[in-house]
Amino acid sequence: GDSVTQMEGPVTLSEEAFLTINCTYTATGYPSLFWYVQYPGEGLQLLLKATKADDKGSNKGFEATYRKETTSFHLEKGSVQVSDSAVYFCALSGGYNQGGKLIFGQGTELSVKP
Amino acid sequence: DGGITQSPKYLFRKEGQNVTLSCEQNLNHDAMYWYRQDPGQGLRLIYYSQIVNDFQKGDIAEGYSVSREKKESFPLTVTSAQKNPTAFYLCASSIRQVNQPQHFGDGTRLSIL
Repeated sequence: GDSVTQMEGPVTLSEEAFLTINCTYTATGYPSLFWYVQYPGEGLQLLLKATKADDKGSNKGFEATYRKETTSFHLEKGSVQVSDSAVYFCALSGGYNQGGKLIFGQGTELSVKP
Repeated sequence: DGGITQSPKYLFRKEGQNVTLSCEQNLNHDAMYWYRQDPGQGLRLIYYSQIVNDFQKGDIAEGYSVSREKKESFPLTVTSAQKNPTAFYLCASSIRQVNQPQHFGDGTRLSIL
């Protein structure tokens, strides 16, 4: 079945460091890919998305490119801030025969130190 | 502003008791979902509904029940059959099409007394 694998956390960085969180997926068909962010005690917020191969999603300085050849959707940011500390989830759409549900990775916790 | 409202934010359950978590959305979305999140883990799908008066089991439906009598509402009942109910519960909704993002509420944290 479809699945998403993220790099394990926690990831600890200093402010202004470069961030990469790896995400790879297994899927049939042509899913859309998403990154969500969860701040402590809150729900998930959509950070960015990509709907087809070679699409680049971007938002708030974060970027991710849909790479079909490597089945990857790595999240990057050039200069992280303390306020970026959160848990990040990679997800793919499960397709219509799965009720449009999303399949999530296990999440990667990011901690940014001043 | 449109969004998803979950209530209460914190809920405590006694042994052998059923509790109901509320989820209301004003986004006019057809599809709604319930997820369970345990510490340090991803989200696991409990139930989902694509249309009023219809719902399907997700990956961990045992010990839970839902109803979908109105488009705006998708309450989740955690029954006494759920032996390990302590978790963070998230409700989401989306447009009823493939490849659509889901919009999430702020969650309900359920604990056992």
